[in-house]
Amino acid sequence: AQSVTQLGSHVSVSEGALVLLRCNYSSSVPPYLFWYVQYPNQGLQLLLKYTTGATLVKGINGFEAEFKKSETSFHLTKPSAHMSDAAEYFCAVIIQGAQKLVFGQGTRLTINP
Amino acid sequence: DVKVTQSSRYLVKRTGEKVFLECVQDMDHENMFWYRQDPGLGLRLIYFSYDVKMKEKGDIPEGYSVSREKKERFSLILESASTNQTSMYLCASSPQGAGFHQPQHFGDGTRLSIL
Repeated sequence: AQSVTQLGSHVSVSEGALVLLRCNYSSSVPPYLFWYVQYPNQGLQLLLKYTTGATLVKGINGFEAEFKKSETSFHLTKPSAHMSDAAEYFCAVIIQGAQKLVFGQGTRLTINP
Repeated sequence: DVKVTQSSRYLVKRTGEKVFLECVQDMDHENMFWYRQDPGLGLRLIYFSYDVKMKEKGDIPEGYSVSREKKERFSLILESASTNQTSMYLCASSPQGAGFHQPQHFGDGTRLSIL
């Protein structure tokens, strides 16, 4: 069975600093990986996804993530944080043939002016 | 544009009431899902459906049921509401494609309080 661990329930960075949100997964077969963002009082919105092919995936709002099979990781990064990036971020995984998307517990990102 | 609409943003009900949460999608998606979101626990799947009148239990189905009479509508039912069902409820849909690995599209959620 697959599982997802997000390291750090809260991350705080300064405006303009690098954003790094960590996600590790457990799966015995190649997974499909997703990052979703949830702004206050809204549902989840897809940031980016990895299915097959290039391991560096670019998403919306300047975010990107790299699939590292050897480290079973899919960390999310953004070179320069903006105040509008303050939100909760969820990593999720599903394997081919499975029916259920498994979510991490979420990381709340705070941006300091 | 893709749209998943949940009928209520906020709902307050009493213990023991039967509660209906409605979700409608306009994308002709085959798959629909109900999650609950609690702090520190992420999203947990309650039920999902891959076709009209079809339903499958998720990870936490106890105390809930669902109905899918039409492709665009997926209802979550709390048979007898209890205080531990106070939560944020999120509906999502996705196209069937080659399986369940297509990205899911989410509604804005219903924050349900059971008093």
